[in-house]
Amino acid sequence: DAGVTQSPTHLIKTRGQQVTLRCSPKSGHDTVSWYQQALGQGPQFIFQYYEEEERQRGNFPDRFSGHQFPNYSSELNVNALLLGDSALYLCASSLGLAGGVDIQYFGAGTRLSVL
Amino acid sequence: GNSVTQMEGPVTLSEEAFLTINCTYTATGYPSLFWYVQYPGEGLQLLLKATKADDKGSNKGFEATYRKETTSFHLEKGSVQVSDSAVYFCALSKNTGNQFYFGTGTSLTVIP
Repeated sequence: DAGVTQSPTHLIKTRGQQVTLRCSPKSGHDTVSWYQQALGQGPQFIFQYYEEEERQRGNFPDRFSGHQFPNYSSELNVNALLLGDSALYLCASSLGLAGGVDIQYFGAGTRLSVL
Repeated sequence: GNSVTQMEGPVTLSEEAFLTINCTYTATGYPSLFWYVQYPGEGLQLLLKATKADDKGSNKGFEATYRKETTSFHLEKGSVQVSDSAVYFCALSKNTGNQFYFGTGTSLTVIP
């Protein structure tokens, strides 16, 4: 049973560019959350998708957007990249509303470097 | 609001030493509490959890007890190993399907 998979593993972009990160949830999971983890910090919640809609959003600007597909996979898009967007981006999946205690399972992340 | 505060690191211990990593939280109501571990170059892995007051989560020799009176969820292990070297994150979740709030993490290095 594959866990949460993310692609790519590493990415280098320049300021002002746009980037798309991808996530496939653990088998059977229907909810995907995205987190930004800056160096030496804990993950910060960006947003969560359930049933192809954004259900919750953290304190991130509109440059950060996402999408969830019918197969529950998800994309995170970041426009107009800033140097401060350099971080490890983590995807987590869970069983959402039907899952009882909300245990989130994390992928290995995408390391984004903005130059 | 909701938040988690962890003890500052890094922590360096000798093999077989006793480990305590302090975690306190702020939340309304009754959150679920978690400890996640992150090994170098990897994502976060769930270590243990507790969903109500006085619950004790345990896994791989690690334990943490949900203390509502002190709003704490301290992580302990009686005898650490070199393989326990990692970054440990305390986290809370308010409700099913809700976002997680993480502490800043505590880096642990165990030396032989």
